[in-house]
Amino acid sequence: GAVVSQHPSRVICKSGTSVKIECRSLDFQATTMFWYRQFPKKSLMLMATSNEGSKATYEQGVEKDKFLINHASLTLSTLTVTSAHPEDSSFYICSARSGTSVPGELFFGEGSRLTVL
Amino acid sequence: AQSVAQPEDQVNVAEGNPLTVKCTYSVSGNPYLFWYVQYPNRGLQFLLKYITGDNLVKGSYGFEAEFNKSQTSFHLKKPSALVSDSALYFCAVREYDNNDMRFGAGTRLTVKP
Repeated sequence: GAVVSQHPSRVICKSGTSVKIECRSLDFQATTMFWYRQFPKKSLMLMATSNEGSKATYEQGVEKDKFLINHASLTLSTLTVTSAHPEDSSFYICSARSGTSVPGELFFGEGSRLTVL
Repeated sequence: AQSVAQPEDQVNVAEGNPLTVKCTYSVSGNPYLFWYVQYPNRGLQFLLKYITGDNLVKGSYGFEAEFNKSQTSFHLKKPSALVSDSALYFCAVREYDNNDMRFGAGTRLTVKP
């Protein structure tokens, strides 16, 4: 199957700093990427849908200015957590869909665990 | 909008016994249904999907799921559980022509030796 790489897998930062998480599709072009947030022992919460070359579509309740998403190419989407605070600590997972994948099939990255001190 | 319910937070089975992880869905049109598995601190791994065709879908690692339109269910099953099957399982649904996928709350499966 297709491979999605997410980096970094773990990051620890101080409160007030910004952190960037990268999501790359390694062997396919991802026209659409999705960013999820997962709290401990909870399901995945869709944060935003990222479309190559256009603005991301954010889910209700997700702060656009705090979670900046850029999908500059068909193989890379980035999530930047700006001015991070301890409550932003979470497990962030990206997924990607290619133009040729079966309807709805998503390929997931390994996730990035953010800890804000 | 589509939604998924996984009524059980936790399922415990003994190794060698059959397992079932339940999932029901709600969509206004035709559903695309998926099961994913997550191991600790990892992303999601695809197990199987139902798009159309046979109601019984076979997937990875010996898992299968049965699509039941009348009961709007898509339960995950395995005839003989392994300890290594212990993980968090997510059911997901996508509605035709809808871009995003909605996940259930997850069911933690524990298989005891």
